[in-house]
Amino acid sequence: EIVLTQSPATLSLSPGGRATLSCRASQSVSCCLGWYQQKPGQAPRLLIYDTANRATGIPARFSGSGSGTDFTLTISSLEPEDFGVYYCQQGIHWPTFGQGTKVEIK
Amino acid sequence: EVQLAESGGGLIHPGGSLSLSCAASGFTVRSNYINWVRQTPGKGLEWISIMYPNGDTYYAASLRGRFTISRDQSQNTFYLHINSLRTDDTAVYYCAGAGVPNRGDYWGQGVLVTVSS
Repeated sequence: EIVLTQSPATLSLSPGGRATLSCRASQSVSCCLGWYQQKPGQAPRLLIYDTANRATGIPARFSGSGSGTDFTLTISSLEPEDFGVYYCQQGIHWPTFGQGTKVEIK
Repeated sequence: EVQLAESGGGLIHPGGSLSLSCAASGFTVRSNYINWVRQTPGKGLEWISIMYPNGDTYYAASLRGRFTISRDQSQNTFYLHINSLRTDDTAVYYCAGAGVPNRGDYWGQGVLVTVSS
């Protein structure tokens, strides 16, 4: 099983700030890494697939990068609706998720 | 607009069985990849099962044997049947769908399954 480790566990930022979230895989996942956002009481929502492609309707302030075992989700300027928990997920082998990064209002 | 609507959660005694349903609209179950994922506070998000458009089914290695994914093309609905429920199966269960394998483009709202005596 591929283990995904996300850091930091919590990110405290103000609206308008820049968020940088990291995801490290226990082995190479090539390009098959995605990012999801989850808010309390809601299902995860796909933001980014295949490392850097925004899902339908996702604003341009969300961007993904990386390769191999190290990946990054960047939110260029946080909006109030961006606060929540973010998960990375790999799909190169049996799908697994990271443990999540909580983005909270500072 | 794609909508996935789950039903069938609730309180189940250990050892019992349960079927969850996921009714799809704006999304054709027979021609897409359909999935079940669960979430617990302790283990986080866990991918349970996938059905390919050709009908092939796959399960998480740790869960193989007690979980069965199926679909009803006429109802455009898919299902997860769980046997021999254990307390550690307590979770929110989500259905998810996508046009490619191993990804969740669309998600249901989730249903809570509580296994307790």
